[in-house]
Amino acid sequence: DTEVTQTPKHLVMGMTNKKSLKCEQHMGHRAMYWYKQKAKKPPELMFVYSYEKLSINESVPSRFSPECPNSSLLNLHLHALQPEDSALYLCASSQSSGTSGGKQYFGPGTRLTVT
Amino acid sequence: DQQVKQNSPSLSVQEGRISILNCDYTNSMFDYFLWYKKYPAEGPTFLISISSIKDKNEDGRFTVFLNKSAKHLSLHIVPSQPGDSAVYFCAARGNNAGNMLTFGGGTRLMVKP
Repeated sequence: DTEVTQTPKHLVMGMTNKKSLKCEQHMGHRAMYWYKQKAKKPPELMFVYSYEKLSINESVPSRFSPECPNSSLLNLHLHALQPEDSALYLCASSQSSGTSGGKQYFGPGTRLTVT
Repeated sequence: DQQVKQNSPSLSVQEGRISILNCDYTNSMFDYFLWYKKYPAEGPTFLISISSIKDKNEDGRFTVFLNKSAKHLSLHIVPSQPGDSAVYFCAARGNNAGNMLTFGGGTRLMVKP
């Protein structure tokens, strides 16, 4: 099983809402990632978790709050977002960070629209 | 400062011919280079990679060439098929902690039947 799943596929939320994005993998990977991708742009790294601990935060605003409850799950909690946060949010996983030659497996993404 | 660049935003190729996608980088500390393919409304899919200590890696119809002195890599697809039509991202891994990838801007490949 080389699949990374993400829910929901689409999400529309108002600027005062609180919502969560979920990501799951069962490949035994110990590194998980959140990326943000705007239209016609490359994925931009937001967070890296290694062995369930946050190892990298790419200066992401606090309205995005990641959580890694266990080695298979990764959440992204959203609160008080702005319309410019509308994007495709991608989750990825890899064998422990530093190994695997950089190869990451990506989920299908959650298309987020902030109104 | 863009450390990984794909200067061609789009490329159109006839079915059966060769597709050549190019990528340039500036950071000599990158130790792995990867190509990802992305269809609309899907996440990127890993295609092929190459270590910085090699100059060529081949997998079926896909070959990646690395020219370290020129800080340039290319992906060759032979023969091209209509199903190859997608956006292709070049990515590079820094040899620091975190397995972080830096992506190029992508090239949209269109293979015409």
